[in-house]
Parts: sequence; structure tokens; C-alpha cells
Amino acid sequence: DAGVIQSPRHEVTEMGQEVTLRCKPISGHDYLFWYRQTMMRGLELLIYFNNNVPIDDSGMPEDRFSAKMPNASFSTLKIQPSEPRDSAVYFCASSFGTEAYEQYFGPGTRLTVT
Amino acid sequence: AQSVAQPEDQVNVAEGNPLTVKCTYSVSGNPYLFWYVQYPNRGLQFLLKYITGDNLVKGSYGFEAEFNKSQTSFHLKKPSALVSDSALYFCAVRDLGSGNTPLVFGKGTRLSVIA
Repeated sequence: DAGVIQSPRHEVTEMGQEVTLRCKPISGHDYLFWYRQTMMRGLELLIYFNNNVPIDDSGMPEDRFSAKMPNASFSTLKIQPSEPRDSAVYFCASSFGTEAYEQYFGPGTRLTVT
Repeated sequence: AQSVAQPEDQVNVAEGNPLTVKCTYSVSGNPYLFWYVQYPNRGLQFLLKYITGDNLVKGSYGFEAEFNKSQTSFHLKKPSALVSDSALYFCAVRDLGSGNTPLVFGKGTRLSVIA
């Protein structure tokens, strides 16, 4: 299996622009998680899905952030408009639906907003 | 509520010496415990987990971890450190019976192995 796939790997954009991050989970996994990692705040859970349905989005920083999962093999995290403080590494992870199962992480998208 | 504490931000160890990265947890029931490693510019990689059974769990790259229920700890260990073990290590927990809720991660411990 190719693992969790994320694109792009790097994104540089100007403040105010829309940013879309993409994720393809491991085939057969029914949970998908979006995380953000910064030096100051560490690893933060933003939102997670089960069977394409958002379960908890309490970690989404504000209304500028939105996430969708239109099918079992694709999810997007969108920031509109972007701000410099959104600069971070964004990780997608997926998991199989048992509590003993580990989460598998993608390589991340490094976002820089200037 | 579930929580994880990694009391050390940084651990330095000489190559060839044993290493320990500490983790303590808090859950209302029984824990599922996990260790992940993050190399520079990479995602988190699963190392090992404790679900049930033997308190000593062996994982990838020669790492092991010991579950201690009385001390609510799950320290990561390796008998002989390599320079290539230098990375950021995360402990994570999930409460048994909570369903497949997201793992709760610690803040991470940066391990530096010095040649």
C-alpha cells in the first residue's frame, strides 16, 4: 500500500489567498484525521471523519477553515482567506475502525503564508 | 478525560548508551498506548503499541516500551542508541471503551544521540 498520500508537499501563498490541501487515506480505512503542527503549539487535531462524515470539528481554529470528505478515498482541508499565522505543517492520518488500531500519518503539507 | 505527559522536552544520550524517553498517562478506564517517531520533514511513524498482555512491548528499530499500570507510565527504551535514532518522539493514548476516538498525543520529546 502507498500509505496516506498528501498534496501538495509544500505550499507558499500570499495572505488572503485560498489554500486547499488534499489527502488520500489508506484504502479500507474508515477514519480520517487532520492535524496541524507548529513549534509553538505542537500537534493539534483539527477535525476527524468516520465513513466520510465529520465527527468532531472542535479543533478547527475558525470559520476560515473548512474540511470535506466527499468519498472514502479523498479529503480536503481549505483555508479561505489564509493568514500568516496559518503557516504550519498539516498532516492527514487514517485509521481502521477499531480502538486498538493505530493511526497512519501522511508526509504532511508545509504551508507558508506570506 | 485522557491525557499524556512527556516530562522531558529534550533527551541527550551518547551513541551506544541505553536510552529512555518517558511518558505518563491519565485515563478513566484502561489504556491503549502508542509510540510514534517523527524524523525531520517527515510524518509521524508508528513504532509500537500496548493493548493487552505482556507489559514489555517490542517494536520497530529495536525499540521497546514497558507498560506500568501502577505508575501509569509507558516509557520508551532502547538498549543501545544510534545516531540515526535522533528524532522527535510522541507518546499517545486512547481510553479503552471510548471507541475509535482520536489518539491523544503528548507534546513530544526530542532525542539527540551524540556520536
